[in-house]
Amino acid sequence: EIVLTQSPGTLSLSPGERATLSCRASQSVTSTYLTWYQQKPGQAPRLLIYGASSRATGIPDRFGGSGSGTDFTLTISRLEPEDFAVYYCQHYGNSLYTFGQGTKLEIK
Amino acid sequence: QVQLVESGGGVVQPGRSLRLSCAASGFTFSNYGMHWVRQAPGKGLEWVAAISDAGITQAYTDSVKGRFTISRDNSKNTLYLQMNSLITEDAAVYYCAKERGPFDAFDVWGQGTMLTVSS
Repeated sequence: EIVLTQSPGTLSLSPGERATLSCRASQSVTSTYLTWYQQKPGQAPRLLIYGASSRATGIPDRFGGSGSGTDFTLTISRLEPEDFAVYYCQHYGNSLYTFGQGTKLEIK
Repeated sequence: QVQLVESGGGVVQPGRSLRLSCAASGFTFSNYGMHWVRQAPGKGLEWVAAISDAGITQAYTDSVKGRFTISRDNSKNTLYLQMNSLITEDAAVYYCAKERGPFDAFDVWGQGTMLTVSS
């Protein structure tokens, strides 16, 4: 079973700064099936990035995904107040879907 | 608009059963695989179960195998999760989600329904 480890657990930044969130897989995974979601308190998750680097419909271009193999990154180029939330990576493999434990992006 | 609305959550005693429903609208339900994802209070997301577009194939996370059954009625645009032999660890908000395509990301989520398991 593939384990996804996200780091850091909490990231404290200010609006306007750049955020870099990491998702590391316990073994090499297919980029096609690597996804990022955003979740705000009391809300359902929202799809941000699929296929490791493709933005979902309506997602601003300040959100970017990259990576391959075991290391993947979600980058938010210039943080807006509405970007402070929890971010999860997810992978599909061997008939199972696995989520990382999440990174909380908080206002500094 | 594309929408998923869950229902059926509530408070149930350990060992009892409950069925969740998810009503879909705004898209051709029978064309897409569907999923249940849960989130225990203050915890992260956990994928629970998946069903293919025609309902032929199902998959489950290990902790619910043999206890939960995912099903769908494409004539009613509705997804179900039958949960038996509930344990306290099953307490969570349960979300239904639509996949973009086979084995792909979940692009539409419901608002969630809360399950509490307590004696």
